[in-house]
Amino acid sequence: DIQMTQSPSSLSASVGDRVTITCQASQDISNYLNWYQQKPGKAPKLLIYDASNLETGVPSRFSGSGSGTDFTFTISSLQPEDIATYYCQQYDNLPVTFGPGTKVDIK
Amino acid sequence: EVQLVESGGVVVQPGGSLRLSCAASGFTFDDYTMHWVRQAPGKGLEWVSLISWDGGSTYYADSVKGRFTISRDNSKNSLYLQMNSLRTEDTALYYCAKDIARRELLYYFDYWGQGTLVTVSS
Repeated sequence: DIQMTQSPSSLSASVGDRVTITCQASQDISNYLNWYQQKPGKAPKLLIYDASNLETGVPSRFSGSGSGTDFTFTISSLQPEDIATYYCQQYDNLPVTFGPGTKVDIK
Repeated sequence: EVQLVESGGVVVQPGGSLRLSCAASGFTFDDYTMHWVRQAPGKGLEWVSLISWDGGSTYYADSVKGRFTISRDNSKNSLYLQMNSLRTEDTALYYCAKDIARRELLYYFDYWGQGTLVTVSS
């Protein structure tokens, strides 16, 4: 199975700050990497697919980059409504696997 | 509007069985692969199983292989998960999720239900 790691596991930032989360795969997954946002008590929501493509309707302050084994997710200007846990997910191989999540809070 | 509504989650004893259902609407159900993804309380996401749009292909996580069976009834726009030999570690919120690709096995999710809670406890 492909193992996904994320860092940091949690972070606290101020409104307007730039926030960056990294995700690393245990083997080359090309760009078969997605990012989801999960707000407390809610189902996950797809934000970024194929490493860098913004899902329809998702604000442009969210972005993703990377390929191979190393990926980055960025919120360019953190907003209060961005409080959530963010997960990366690889779909290069079954089983689909998720990173452990990064919890983002407002300072 | 796409809607996925799970049901069937209850408290069950270890070794017991349970069948989860997911009622789908707002899209052409028989064009899409469907998945079950679970989340243990306070933990991350774990993919459980998928079934192709025509039911011809199914895949399972190793943790549930041989114990869980995924199925679908396209005439009823419904997805199911038969869960046997349940263990305490199966305790989780179970989400059904729609695959993003029409008539392909692409393995990621553009719509999720709100989940149904399965608790395995004596």
